Amino acid sequence: EADIYQTPRYLVIGTGKKITLECSQTMGHDKMYWYQQDPGMELHLIHYSYGVNSTEKGDLSSESTVSRIRTEHFPLTLESARPSHTSQYLCASSLWGEQYFGPGTRLTVT
Amino acid sequence: QKEVEQNSGPLSVPEGAIASLNCTYSDRGSQSFFWYRQYSGKSPELIMSIYSNGDKEDGRFTAQLNKASQYVSLLIRDSQPSDSATYLCAGITSTSGTYKYIFGTGTRLKVLA
Repeated sequence: EADIYQTPRYLVIGTGKKITLECSQTMGHDKMYWYQQDPGMELHLIHYSYGVNSTEKGDLSSESTVSRIRTEHFPLTLESARPSHTSQYLCASSLWGEQYFGPGTRLTVT
Repeated sequence: QKEVEQNSGPLSVPEGAIASLNCTYSDRGSQSFFWYRQYSGKSPELIMSIYSNGDKEDGRFTAQLNKASQYVSLLIRDSQPSDSATYLCAGITSTSGTYKYIFGTGTRLKVLA
């Protein structure tokens, strides 16, 4: 079973706040991904990393940043939260092909 | 044209029937394909991977890949109401040395009891 964790699971925060969503995996996977998904809608790739000190932007510009200082850790930071950031954020990791997803963080920006 | 395309559905099948989910892709360089299942409010979970032409079976699931026609399918035999979910097709392309992982938009399956 995949071991990938996300915290917090739910977050309600006011506009303009800085937030960091945490993602950790214990499988030693090189590749990690952040997706945004609204209910009933498709996955949108926000950022990805193929290893330590390697990060790339995905197709969706969400005014967020990521870092990959350690293999197991891939946090996502929103510098200034806005209501349009309200969504589900999913983290995933893979060794090569198969992606394993965390439980997600449900973010609501008021 | 999306790189990986799926019919959004919903696809409704009666309990016990075979559900057939299809996916087409545009990049002939795509090499590997994956099917994920996502229940409402949950994260996607991997069902199967397929890398070469032909069929691959795992329990009630069969994945089919046809690289010449650029399509991938997932068959679910003896469909159960618990199979009702959104099924996501994904593929990997490595064009010009750039590795890219692409998800389709998903097909919603409803199995009617």
